[in-house]
Amino acid sequence: DSGVTQTPKHLITATGQRVTLRCSPRSGDLSVYWYQQSLDQGLQFLIQYYNGEERAKGNILERFSAQQFPDLHSELNLSSLELGDSALYFCASSPRDGTEAFFGQGTRLTVV
Amino acid sequence: GQQLNQSPQSMFIQEGEDVSMNCTSSSIFNTWLWYKQDPGEGPVLLIALYKAGELTSNGRLTAQFGITRKDSFLNISASIPSDVGIYFCAGQPIRSGGSNYKLTFGKGTLLTVNP
Repeated sequence: DSGVTQTPKHLITATGQRVTLRCSPRSGDLSVYWYQQSLDQGLQFLIQYYNGEERAKGNILERFSAQQFPDLHSELNLSSLELGDSALYFCASSPRDGTEAFFGQGTRLTVV
Repeated sequence: GQQLNQSPQSMFIQEGEDVSMNCTSSSIFNTWLWYKQDPGEGPVLLIALYKAGELTSNGRLTAQFGITRKDSFLNISASIPSDVGIYFCAGQPIRSGGSNYKLTFGKGTLLTVNP
């Protein structure tokens, strides 16, 4: 158990809908990362937050947004969902920049 | 942006053999991490490296942070069936006057171990 908790574990939704994925980092970790993993794309970095502020941005679509709350948990919002958004979404946390990141179990999103 | 080239893409080996995989980057990194991922699970951190030249072991696993800061390798000795999985390297670039802290992953090495 990495100490990073993601909910829900599985999500099935229709195209055009909006979903929210939640991540609770390890106790004391200030940094949260979001990754998307598709079969043919590997782990794609979406966005990073550090102590509530956006730190780095990857190839995150405009339909996607994220935030980190004062209690350090983070949410990833995916809207106007398309079939191609079906993937595993992982959250990871680390104590600070440049240190090891620990991953949650992921949320498997299926868009039908 | 930074790109990590991880090789080989896949390996098929016999139980007991040693394995080596590596990662190279186009820019200088200040952190190298190695992860293993089982199907449907999140990546699990195996080894973290923070200094150029650093050589670190974790049981049968050994990883090194390259002197140039642009590469790293992972060795697995005396492989066993439970070593099967996808191994990812990841690195974080040195800050370059801005907020470029993203942890970048290689595309992974799929390891199959035949008993």
